[in-house]
Amino acid sequence: SQQGEEDPQALSIQEGENATMNCSYKTSINNLQWYRQNSGRGLVHLILIRSNEREKHSGRLRVTLDTSKKSSSLLITASRAADTASYFCATVRNYQLIWGAGTKLIIKP
Amino acid sequence: ETGVTQTPRHLVMGMTNKKSLKCEQHLGHNAMYWYKQSAKKPLELMFVYSLEERVENNSVPSRFSPECPNSSHLFLHLHTLQPEDSALYLCASSQEGPGDTEAFFGQGTRLTVV
Repeated sequence: SQQGEEDPQALSIQEGENATMNCSYKTSINNLQWYRQNSGRGLVHLILIRSNEREKHSGRLRVTLDTSKKSSSLLITASRAADTASYFCATVRNYQLIWGAGTKLIIKP
Repeated sequence: ETGVTQTPRHLVMGMTNKKSLKCEQHLGHNAMYWYKQSAKKPLELMFVYSLEERVENNSVPSRFSPECPNSSHLFLHLHTLQPEDSALYLCASSQEGPGDTEAFFGQGTRLTVV
């Protein structure tokens, strides 16, 4: 069953702007992970945030987790054309990864 | 390169054919996974192997048969598939058990059943 749901389904912004994607889930989790997928290729892990953490950074990426609202956000700052991809959140419960349908991000030059 | 290699990258097969997908990981990980990705649907977990033992089989039809001969290799044997089985099949591995650490994915096999 689908646990994570990304919002929006699609996002198109100008290069240099910030992009924010959200993920909501239904049940308690062990951790939450964000991945990126370029068209028709494998997924690349971006950030893992554990249930007792509230925020993590990695380069231009910032992930927040609000367990009371059962939601997470991924912020990409100063977007680049190479950030064009689909972004997925995966929630981990009972040691199973459960995936959302993804947000398709397009960065316009 | 993620350290997980899948072959072939593309496969077209008839409904009566038998073929196999191969996955190899060079990361020393303990867990390996098969996922199915269909258009506009969430990633579907098919099989999980931890330390070469199958620990998860998410109600996958028997026309898909996994094999894990050692901790570095994972196969998905295919026979008498249906057109709706056409999808991107992704292999992944992780250091620890399912979900505890990040997963590393291969580039996938694009399967078309005709």
